[in-house]
Amino acid sequence: GENVEQHPSTLSVQEGDSAVIKCTYSDSASNYFPWYKQELGKRPQLIIDIRSNVGEKKDQRIAVTLNKTAKHFSLHITETQPEDSAVYFCAASNSNSGYALNFGKGTSLLVTP
Amino acid sequence: EAQVTQNPRYLITVTGKKLTVTCSQNMNHEYMSWYRQDPGLGLRQIYYSMNVEVTDKGDVPEGYKVSRKEKRNFPLILESPSPNQTSLYFCASRRLQGWDEQYFGPGTRLTVT
Repeated sequence: GENVEQHPSTLSVQEGDSAVIKCTYSDSASNYFPWYKQELGKRPQLIIDIRSNVGEKKDQRIAVTLNKTAKHFSLHITETQPEDSAVYFCAASNSNSGYALNFGKGTSLLVTP
Repeated sequence: EAQVTQNPRYLITVTGKKLTVTCSQNMNHEYMSWYRQDPGLGLRQIYYSMNVEVTDKGDVPEGYKVSRKEKRNFPLILESPSPNQTSLYFCASRRLQGWDEQYFGPGTRLTVT
């Protein structure tokens, strides 16, 4: 089945800096790549997603890039703020595997003032 | 309000005592699934359902059962809980057609002693 690797597992940045989280996937048939943010004690929530027919997508301070040839995708957060501190999960999915979202193990991001 | 609900939110039980965690969604989603979240392991899928009476195993199904008799409900059953099933459990739902957002329930913190 699909295997999603996520790096780094922890990331500490200063407020205002950029943060980048990278994921790789194994199934070349995967065509949907969402990112979820989970604040402490809360449920995961979708922050951005990208489909395989798009190379990049941006939403204010958040952007995701996808390289299908290399089978990797990345989350970029610019001008980080303390409220960006959370655990971020990447995931990959395709219709051939029952639409299951296969998650990476998560990245704990800490933004220090 | 569109939502996924789970009950109970917290449960402490003893080894071998059958329990059920309920999950309900009001968005008429075809796809529902259960995940467990453990430190350092991310979100792992237990079971999923693509529609009423259609269920299938995820990555970690051992020791769990599910049923999907109605579209809105997807209970998780632990017939004989063991301490290694102590975890945080999330139910989730999404539309099956197209790559829509997957919505998570608030989570159930289960402790098996």
